[in-house]
Amino acid sequence: AQRVTQPEKLLSVFKGAPVELKCNYSYSGSPELFWYVQYSRQRLQLLLRHISRESIKGFTADLNKGETSFHLKKPFAQEEDSAMYYCALRELGDSNYQLIWGAGTKLIIKP
Amino acid sequence: DAGVIQSPRHEVTEMGQEVTLRCKPISGHNSLFWYRQTMMRGLELLIYFNNNVPIDDSGMPEDRFSAKMPNASFSTLKIQPSEPRDSAVYFCASGLAGAGELFFGEGSRLTVL
Repeated sequence: AQRVTQPEKLLSVFKGAPVELKCNYSYSGSPELFWYVQYSRQRLQLLLRHISRESIKGFTADLNKGETSFHLKKPFAQEEDSAMYYCALRELGDSNYQLIWGAGTKLIIKP
Repeated sequence: DAGVIQSPRHEVTEMGQEVTLRCKPISGHNSLFWYRQTMMRGLELLIYFNNNVPIDDSGMPEDRFSAKMPNASFSTLKIQPSEPRDSAVYFCASGLAGAGELFFGEGSRLTVL
C-alpha cells in the first residue's frame, strides 16, 4: 500500500534543542516528497520539497531512499517553529497532482 | 494575488441544514482540491478538479456531499443535509498541474450542532 507515516502525533522540545520530525513512506514509484507547515490560525503552506534541496527557516530534509524516509530537521528550535507539520508524497512528475498525506505532527517548542 | 479565497471562514449550523462552502482559486491555476481536516483523521482529500473537470471524487464521504466547479475561478462544496460528524475545517487548495506545490486557503470551519 502507498502511504506516508508520521509516527509522532505530538512532539515537544525545548527552545534551542534540536528537532527531528519523522516521515516514512511506502511507495512503489519514484516519489517526490514535501513538508507542509500550518502555523496557528494560518493557512497550510509549503515548507520545503526534496527536489529543491533548500534550507527553509533553518529546516532541512533529506530523502533517504534506502530507509524510505524524509525526516525534517532543525539544529536549534525556536518558539516560532511551533506548528502542525505534514509530510506528503506524490509521483515525481505527476501531472495530475495526487498527494498522499501523512497524519501530521504537532510541534510544540517550550520556552 | 490574494491567494486562495474561501468563504465563509466560520459556519455554525444545525443538523439537517444545507451548507455551501465557496472557493476562489489563484488565477491561472488549473487544479483545485477540497480537503477536510479533523483531529481524528488529519487531512483528507475529498475531491479534486483539473481544468474544471472532477478527476477523483473517491474521497467524498457520501451522497450528502457534492462539489462543483462551474468555471476556472469558482468552486463550491455542498453538504445537504449536514450532520454533526461533518464538523471540521474544510480547505480549498489550488495549483498548477505538474508544478508540485499546492496553495491553500485559510479554511472554512464548520460546526454542525
